[in-house]
Amino acid sequence: ETAVFQTPNYHVTQVGNEVSFNCKQTLGHDTMYWYKQDSKKLLKIMFSYNNKQLIVNETVPRRFSPQSSDKAHLNLRIKSVEPEDSAVYLCASSPDWGANYAEQFFGPGTRLTVL
Amino acid sequence: AQSVTQPDARVTVSEGASLQLRCKYSYSATPYLFWYVQYPRQGLQMLLKYYSGDPVVQGVNGFEAEFSKSDSSFHLRKASVHWSDSAVYFCAVKWGSALGRLHFGAGTQLIVIP
Repeated sequence: ETAVFQTPNYHVTQVGNEVSFNCKQTLGHDTMYWYKQDSKKLLKIMFSYNNKQLIVNETVPRRFSPQSSDKAHLNLRIKSVEPEDSAVYLCASSPDWGANYAEQFFGPGTRLTVL
Repeated sequence: AQSVTQPDARVTVSEGASLQLRCKYSYSATPYLFWYVQYPRQGLQMLLKYYSGDPVVQGVNGFEAEFSKSDSSFHLRKASVHWSDSAVYFCAVKWGSALGRLHFGAGTQLIVIP
């Protein structure tokens, strides 16, 4: 049963456009994340939020900006997309930032294709 | 430097055969260790995790993993695979000093031949 929801499933756009992806979790977790998964399936953490506050920004280009209205929602905006932004963007959540042993729950991802 | 390595990019096995997927890490202490699976067009799901105690840990769907401190490894095993186990498997670690952040290996694509 899905508890981390992402929209849209797919998005195709052209270089220079702006895109926004949405993520919502219904697990009551305090911490949410954005990951980028490239065409080779490599996963890289982009941002970590705890209770709607940015904790970690993993040296992501400035055109990427996360937005959190409350601890259940974490959106991602990409201003002026570039070809290398083509990837699957995965949202995840976990109960607590400080809980090292806690499982992270992932959404199904948003596949972005930049033409 | 800290690292997590999955040396096999792709593993192919026949249905019913046993399976081992390898994971090695480089770290001065024992990290928090996880195995996740990603089925086609889906997000990741945790199979099992380990930090301390019995080095053999049981997970979902018949998977288990064995931690070896001497070898700095956390290999995933299954006694008899099913075609539905075909997926990408990721080993992941949390270093003790980096709260919350999971670091993933490159993944191993498992192909089960019916």
